[in-house]
Amino acid sequence: EAQVTQNPRYLITVTGKKLTVTCSQNMNHEYMSWYRQDPGLGLRQIYYSMNVEVTDKGDVPEGYKVSRKEKRNFPLILESPSPNQTSLYFCASSFRFFQGDRGTYEQYFGPGTRLTVT
Amino acid sequence: SQELEQSPQSLIVQEGKNLTINCTSSKTLYGLYWYKQKYGEGLIFLMMLQKGGEEKSHEKITAKLDEKKQQSSLHITASQPSHAGIYLCGADMSSRGSTLGRLYFGRGTQLTVWP
Repeated sequence: EAQVTQNPRYLITVTGKKLTVTCSQNMNHEYMSWYRQDPGLGLRQIYYSMNVEVTDKGDVPEGYKVSRKEKRNFPLILESPSPNQTSLYFCASSFRFFQGDRGTYEQYFGPGTRLTVT
Repeated sequence: SQELEQSPQSLIVQEGKNLTINCTSSKTLYGLYWYKQKYGEGLIFLMMLQKGGEEKSHEKITAKLDEKKQQSSLHITASQPSHAGIYLCGADMSSRGSTLGRLYFGRGTQLTVWP
């Protein structure tokens, strides 16, 4: 089954304790992204990756790191979590296809990771 | 600033009623995506629109992209409790040749359907 998986689904941690949220996709997609979702603010992109070893900042990258050593995996790292990083996190992967002279994307989302930092 | 404006923020309708959710941008929308989310869960892809004037339907949900490609609407006919959830529009607004792989999202519309 084609899917994006995230682990853990729920996590409660304390300020300053490093954590990693894993993301894996089995669709051989080149593009992967991390978003956070907060009430009233919607989905905001943290980082994205266009391919192995190619990553770039999204709208809210502060306090986060990512790596893309393999095509299927795109972990999100919080080196020193703080309470303002309490949020619902989504990983997404997408493929690019062309219609006419412009490419576009279809993004598939993981089930989400609810993180609480106390 | 919010790149995509969604309205209304919330909607409460009686089962059987029709409803419309709008998604507007001041920039050209090169790819417009509609997703549905159950509270606290992942996003389910509904439809993608790319061409000006394009319209797509799936069951009782119809999405349109206007000719200028700056506004999209999602219309649900004869709503049911199963339609309840958060509807999000996402868009590719990058100009040709610029950063790829980025989608911008609206803040979502919370839909409640009561029997």
